Amino acid sequence: ELKVEQNPLFLSMQEGKNYTIYCNYSTTSDRLYWYRQDPGKSLESLFVLLSNGAVKQEGRLMASLDTKARLSTLHITAAVHDLSATYFCAAPPGGSEKLVFGKGMKLTVNP
Amino acid sequence: DAGVIQSPRHEVTEMGQEVTLRCKPISGHDYLFWYRQTMMRGLELLIYFNNNVPIDDSGMPEDRFSAKMPNASFSTLKIQPSEPRDSAVYFCASSLSGHLSPLHFGNGTRLTVT
Repeated sequence: ELKVEQNPLFLSMQEGKNYTIYCNYSTTSDRLYWYRQDPGKSLESLFVLLSNGAVKQEGRLMASLDTKARLSTLHITAAVHDLSATYFCAAPPGGSEKLVFGKGMKLTVNP
Repeated sequence: DAGVIQSPRHEVTEMGQEVTLRCKPISGHDYLFWYRQTMMRGLELLIYFNNNVPIDDSGMPEDRFSAKMPNASFSTLKIQPSEPRDSAVYFCASSLSGHLSPLHFGNGTRLTVT
């Protein structure tokens, strides 16, 4: 059974700082998704990573995938308050169309 | 495109009552998923459909929960009878091609069972 683990689960950081959050998954999967959820809102897709070494960037967020280590990272550069949200990673178990989500990482960026 | 549409946005009901949640997926999407979100358990998949056929309902908590998809543009999740532990946000999501494309989530239904 595929398990997806994120750490940390809570992060409070200052504006302008950098940080990396981690997502581990327990069994082989052919892709990895990152989603963002604002408080009281729905989930929005950010990135899909398809292969080992894949890197995607949008604005101050950069995601990467290491399939051998079963690890994805989401790097935040020069954080701003607008990045405050909960970030989820998700992966499909082999042979299934569903996505298994991590518990999410609640990010608070303080001025 | 209006996106995935869920109704109602909020539902407050008493224990023992029947609750029906509704979802209209994005037109052309062949997959529909029902997820439940709670603080304790995070996002859990309840059931998903492909071309209106239930494929995996292993996440449905118990017989009190049932889901249907009578056509490509409508799905329901029913809880009968409801219990306080069912209180959660229920999300419907659709995708073009299963896990090969991103899920598009609705705004969710916040269910409170008293």
